[in-house]
Amino acid sequence: GESVGLHLPTLSVQEGDNSIINCAYSNSASDYFIWYKQESGKGPQFIIDIRSNMDKRQGQRVTVLLNKTVKHLSLQIAATQPGDSAVYFCAENSGYALNFGKGTSLLVTP
Amino acid sequence: DAGVIQSPRHEVTEMGQEVTLRCKPISGHNSLFWYRQTMMRGLELLIYFNNNVPIDDSGMPEDRFSAKMPNASFSTLKIQPSEPRDSAVYFCASGGQGNQPQHFGDGTRLSIL
Repeated sequence: GESVGLHLPTLSVQEGDNSIINCAYSNSASDYFIWYKQESGKGPQFIIDIRSNMDKRQGQRVTVLLNKTVKHLSLQIAATQPGDSAVYFCAENSGYALNFGKGTSLLVTP
Repeated sequence: DAGVIQSPRHEVTEMGQEVTLRCKPISGHNSLFWYRQTMMRGLELLIYFNNNVPIDDSGMPEDRFSAKMPNASFSTLKIQPSEPRDSAVYFCASGGQGNQPQHFGDGTRLSIL
């Protein structure tokens, strides 16, 4: 069946470096993608979204890139800070439902 | 602005007991979702409401699970009777129409002994 998956389950970066979290999706009909951040004991928090008619979208310190040719999504975090440590999920929305990936744990070390 | 509000935050009860989880969505959102999160299975959609009407309950695992949305500002997820394998974090999320992000509450951590 269709699925959304992540390439790396864990990512460790040094404070101040840039982070890149990757996600592969298989449903070519998906037209909307979201990145969420989940801290311990909290619910997933919306970070940034992108529609399939775009290939790049920037927010505050975050950039999402969408490559529809290879069905790949990435989240780039600039100047990673300790507060960025969390689990990051990509999700695709091809209707009302969100199909979540397994998540990538980002650990920021001093 | 108030986000999605869930209660209780934690629930510990013995198997066989009835459990009721509550959710207040963000005002103005017409879609409401209940999810379950476990280490093994990640985030799973249980049920989806649109304008207070259940649209898709195919993710509800068994008849022991039921959900209601009596009005636009309140929803419940009930498990009766509860079993240890129901232990998980249950999230409620709400969203607007079309391709809009879903906004999650902080969940209810449920432990069935």
